[in-house]
Amino acid sequence: DIQMTQSPSSLSASVGDRVTITCQASQDISNYLNWYQQKPGKAPKLLIYDASNLETGVPSRFSGSGSGTDFTFTISSLQPEDIATYYCQQYDNLPQTFGQGTKLEIK
Amino acid sequence: QVQLVESGGGVVQPGGSLRLSCAASGFTFSSYGMHWVRQAPGKGLEWVAFIRYDGSNKYYADSVKGRFTISRDNSKNTLYLQMNSLRAEDTAVYYCAKDRVPVAATYGDYWGQGTLVTVSS
Repeated sequence: DIQMTQSPSSLSASVGDRVTITCQASQDISNYLNWYQQKPGKAPKLLIYDASNLETGVPSRFSGSGSGTDFTFTISSLQPEDIATYYCQQYDNLPQTFGQGTKLEIK
Repeated sequence: QVQLVESGGGVVQPGGSLRLSCAASGFTFSSYGMHWVRQAPGKGLEWVAFIRYDGSNKYYADSVKGRFTISRDNSKNTLYLQMNSLRAEDTAVYYCAKDRVPVAATYGDYWGQGTLVTVSS
């Protein structure tokens, strides 16, 4: 199985800050990498697909980059409504696997 | 719009069985593969199973292989997960998710709200 190592596991930042989360795959997954946002008690929501494509309706402050084994997710200016846990996911091979998650909090 | 509504969760004893359902609407169900993904309390996401649009192929996580069975009824727009020989570690919220691409196997773009399964004596 492909292991996804996501960091940090938690992050505290201020409104307006630039926030960056990284995800590393244990093998080359090309760009088969997604980012999801999950708020407490809710289902995950797809934000970024194929490493860098913004899902329809998602604010442009969210972005993703990378290919191969190293990926980055960025919020350019943190908003209060962005408080959530974020997961990366690879779908190059089954089983699909997720990173451990990054819990984002407001400082 | 796409709607996925899971049901069938509850409390079951270790070794017991449960069948989850996922009622789909707002898209052509018979054209899309479907996933089950679970999340143990306070933990991360774990992919469980996938079934192709026509039911021709099914894939499982090693942790549930031989105990869980994914199936679908395209005439009823419903996805199922039959869970047998349940263990405490199967306790989780179970989500169904629609695959992104018709007649392919990629990832879930729309997810249901989840149904909680608790395995406890």
